[in-house]
Amino acid sequence: QQPVQSPQAVILREGEDAVINCSSSKALYSVHWYRQKHGEAPVFLMILLKGGEQKGHDKISASFNEKKQQSSLYLTASQLSYSGTYFCGTERAGGTSYGKLTFGQGTILTVHP
Amino acid sequence: NAGVTQTPKFQVLKTGQSMTLQCAQDMNHEYMSWYRQDPGMGLRLIHYSVGAGITDQGEVPNGYNVSRSTTEDFPLRLLSAAPSQTSVYFCASSSTGTGMYEQYFGPGTRLTVT
Repeated sequence: QQPVQSPQAVILREGEDAVINCSSSKALYSVHWYRQKHGEAPVFLMILLKGGEQKGHDKISASFNEKKQQSSLYLTASQLSYSGTYFCGTERAGGTSYGKLTFGQGTILTVHP
Repeated sequence: NAGVTQTPKFQVLKTGQSMTLQCAQDMNHEYMSWYRQDPGMGLRLIHYSVGAGITDQGEVPNGYNVSRSTTEDFPLRLLSAAPSQTSVYFCASSSTGTGMYEQYFGPGTRLTVT
């Protein structure tokens, strides 16, 4: 079942902050975050594992609430280059589920000068 | 490293034709996946593989076939193209080394079925 992202779209001025949320109804092993610019492939931003381990870019931060199966991506002091569509991908635990991602519908982020 | 490569970049097919989308990676990744992306739908998993000789279905496997004879290559076959298969197709690979399966995507193939 597809995770639900909110909001669907965000418009910011440069320097403003934004939070993008991702919620799943299933127990998760990890949550991934990717950014996709128009006409390009998605690019990895962050992964958060059950248990607290995480890996990602220095300027990106995120959280994973294991009890609620929710993750949030925090974009601070936004830059024009942050514009794009952000996707969360969820990975369930166990057996054949590892490495198998289910993506949310995406959040369109637009940053204006 | 070239990373993940996909060919062709663009393709137009007529209904009923078959074709193979190619995907290759040079990072020695065990896991490879095929996704399709339609407007407003995000990315949906078609098939994936955890290693040579092992494949499994994703969310939307109907009308597609895969095989994985080597670690590097993971081709996607459209058996009899339909207009509903018009989409952008992405191949991705990931390593299992650290227990973190972050995915590296190829540039995509834009397929139109008329």
